[in-house]
Amino acid sequence: EAGVAQSPRYKIIEKRQSVAFWCNPISGHATLYWYQQILGQGPKLLIQFQNNGVVDDSQLPKDRFSAERLKGVDSTLKIQPAKLEDSAVYLCASSPTRVSYGYTFGSGTRLTVV
Amino acid sequence: QKEVEQNSGPLSVPEGAIASLNCTYSDRGSQSFFWYRQYSGKSPELIMSIYSNGDKEDGRFTAQLNKASQYVSLLIRDSQPSDSATYLCAVNPPYSGAGSYQLTFGKGTKLSVIP
Repeated sequence: EAGVAQSPRYKIIEKRQSVAFWCNPISGHATLYWYQQILGQGPKLLIQFQNNGVVDDSQLPKDRFSAERLKGVDSTLKIQPAKLEDSAVYLCASSPTRVSYGYTFGSGTRLTVV
Repeated sequence: QKEVEQNSGPLSVPEGAIASLNCTYSDRGSQSFFWYRQYSGKSPELIMSIYSNGDKEDGRFTAQLNKASQYVSLLIRDSQPSDSATYLCAVNPPYSGAGSYQLTFGKGTKLSVIP
């Protein structure tokens, strides 16, 4: 079974620029999550999708972050404009409908805002 | 606010010793509990899950759960230098609408196994 695919692996941008991250979940996984992990901290949920609908985006800074999941498969997370404090690893994870068995993370995208 | 607390460490143990990692959670009624291992520069990897009170063993790893005390722990027996990593505790809160199928993570405990 192929894992969760993410790209790019690394990205360096200047503040106020925009950036986008892509995620392809494990085939058949209905639920997709984007997490932000700042250095030295645990992952923090940004947004959760169930198929192509948003279940929870309560911690997504909507003035600058946006996300979509087209056709209930791939997902894109965008930041516009980026701030220095957005420097972090952005992790995508997927799970079957119920999360009782935990979920699988992709390799992440390390964003550095300078 | 759901909280998961872990001692950030670092926790240093000699090779061959038992490493004990602890986690407490605030949301009574939480249903599922997980331990993830994260090597430096890598993404978290699921290593253990536990759902009911007591112990669950998998090889050198034992997860322990005490729902009354809202406490989860991970024991690593015969610790190896390759176990050196950050260990993240994650909790699935009870069903409450949007938040029901999520994991809340602690900040992680950094473990260093000294040869």
